[in-house]
Amino acid sequence: NAGVTQTPKFRILKIGQSMTLQCAQDMNHNYMYWYRQDPGMGLKLIYYSVGAGITDKGEVPNGYNVSRSTTEDFPLRLELAAPSQTSVYFCASSSIAGGEETQYFGPGTRLLVL
Amino acid sequence: EDQVTQSPEALRLQEGESSSLNCSYTVSGLRGLFWYRQDPGKGPEFLFTLYSAGEEKEKERLKATLTKKESFLHITAPKPEDSATYLCAVRTNAGKSTFGDGTTLTVKP
Repeated sequence: NAGVTQTPKFRILKIGQSMTLQCAQDMNHNYMYWYRQDPGMGLKLIYYSVGAGITDKGEVPNGYNVSRSTTEDFPLRLELAAPSQTSVYFCASSSIAGGEETQYFGPGTRLLVL
Repeated sequence: EDQVTQSPEALRLQEGESSSLNCSYTVSGLRGLFWYRQDPGKGPEFLFTLYSAGEEKEKERLKATLTKKESFLHITAPKPEDSATYLCAVRTNAGKSTFGDGTTLTVKP
């Protein structure tokens, strides 16, 4: 299993540009999440999904959009990039077995908006 | 509003010097409390999930405990390779999660 994969690893955007951060998992997990992490801080939840076709807002959804057309993929779309979106973005998925949840994170995408 | 506060912000230990990290939380409808380890430049690595007060889980030199207001991550006889940032997060029944800002642990040989 590749686990949770994210692309790209690093990207520089100009203000006002758009991009899609890709996330995929091959573990057949229903739950998937997008977080952002600013330097020296914990993670903030952007969006999450409990299954294909179902998404919901997290703590900081403004300026982002997601879709979940398949179990495997959960792309994050940035429209009209702003300097405040400079951050490291992590995608994660969760397995729930016997009531126990285990969460797996991708390696992250570092985004710089100039 | 759900809140998670971790203390201390940074902790420096000598190898073999046991200690504890604290995670205090307020949340409506706790589904689970999560502990992660994060190395610089990497994604968080899942350690434990705790679900109810009184629950304890162990993994190697780490032991996590949970009360109704806080969780502790006890580190017994730490080694330099235990140096990392340890993150705590709560997940609500609605599926939302809130993270603390982490405790950066440095273990000196």
